[in-house]
Amino acid sequence: NAGVTQTPKFQVLKTGQSMTLQCAQDMNHNSMYWYRQDPGMGLRLIYYSASEGTTDKGEVPNGYNVSRLNKREFSLRLESAAPSQTSVYFCASRRQTGLAGDEQFFGPGTRLTVL
Amino acid sequence: AQTVTQSQPEMSVQEAETVTLSCTYDTSESDYYLFWYKQPPSRQMILVIRQEAYKQQNATENRFSVNFQKAAKSFSLKISDSQLGDAAMYFCAYRANSGGSNYKLTFGKGTLLTVNP
Repeated sequence: NAGVTQTPKFQVLKTGQSMTLQCAQDMNHNSMYWYRQDPGMGLRLIYYSASEGTTDKGEVPNGYNVSRLNKREFSLRLESAAPSQTSVYFCASRRQTGLAGDEQFFGPGTRLTVL
Repeated sequence: AQTVTQSQPEMSVQEAETVTLSCTYDTSESDYYLFWYKQPPSRQMILVIRQEAYKQQNATENRFSVNFQKAAKSFSLKISDSQLGDAAMYFCAYRANSGGSNYKLTFGKGTLLTVNP
């Protein structure tokens, strides 16, 4: 199992450019999440998908869109990148066992710089 | 809204010694989980330990243990016999245990732990 994979690992954009961050998981998890990590801020939830076909806003959704393409894939799109979106982006998926302490598994992150 | 506070931006410990990282949280829920995640320089988020709010017994995973004080809304992480590989950013996280919350994690800002040889 590869777990949660993210592409690309690094990206530099110019202000106003668009791009899509890809995330895939091979653990048959229903729920998937996108977080951003900024220095001194911890991780903040951007969007999440509780199950295939559903998406909802998190704490900081402005400037982003998401697509839950199928059960495996959950993409994050920046339509018009801004310097404030310079961050490290993490995708995660959640195991649902019905038992105690369902865990979120994280991808390796994408470091995005917007100039 | 739930909040998680880590009041120590940085901590250091000597190899083989013990260190405690602090975390407090605010919630009106009674059923929830608390987590400690480790993020080494590789950026990978690794689950260290988890605690169920309705369990009074503190969780333990090898050298890692927690001191969970539900009334005080405190959840500290103790690392015993610290090793160089423990050097990382540590995040405390909260998650309500209800479907309506969609199991979203709320993170603290992190504590950077340095281990000195």
